[in-house]
Amino acid sequence: EAGVAQSPRYKIIEKRQSVAFWCNPISGHATLYWYQQILGQGPKLLIQFQNNGVVDDSQLPKDRFSAERLKGVDSTLKIQPAKLEDSAVYLCASSLDHSPVETQYFGPGTRLLVL
Amino acid sequence: KQEVTQIPAALSVPEGENLVLNCSFTDSAIYNLQWFRQDPGKGLTSLLLIQSSQREQTSGRLNASLDKSSGRSTLYIAASQPGDSATYLCAVYTGTASKLTFGTGTRLQVTL
Repeated sequence: EAGVAQSPRYKIIEKRQSVAFWCNPISGHATLYWYQQILGQGPKLLIQFQNNGVVDDSQLPKDRFSAERLKGVDSTLKIQPAKLEDSAVYLCASSLDHSPVETQYFGPGTRLLVL
Repeated sequence: KQEVTQIPAALSVPEGENLVLNCSFTDSAIYNLQWFRQDPGKGLTSLLLIQSSQREQTSGRLNASLDKSSGRSTLYIAASQPGDSATYLCAVYTGTASKLTFGTGTRLQVTL
């Protein structure tokens, strides 16, 4: 079974530029999550989708971050414009559904450096 | 607001030692607690999941315990190996927030 795929793996941009990350979840998984992991910290949930609907985006900085999951499969996370403090690893995860008993499977992450 | 703390932040042990990693959380109204492993440049891998009604879970050389009332969990690794070197993250699923809250992790190094 293929795991969660993410691209790109690394990205370096200058502040005020825009950037987009892509995630392809495990086939059949209805729930998709985007996490931000700043160096030395645990992952923090940015947004959670159930199929193509948003379940929780309470910690998404909506003035600069946006995310979509068209057709309930792949998802993109965009930052525009980027700030220095956005430097982090962005992890995508998926699960069968959003029940707490379901295991979340994580992708390898995209490491973003904002200069 | 749920807060998860992990102690120690880093640990170095010689191969073969048994070790314990600690996790504490402030809100005991949890559905479950998970231990994850994170290798450099890779995503997280779930190691053990303990439901709120359970006291412990075991997988191979790993044993995780949960004391929900005191807000604590421990991950016990028996006979550590260099391949166990990684960052170990604890996460709790809190009902009120309906999401996972992670600790900051313990970076483990097992030396030859």
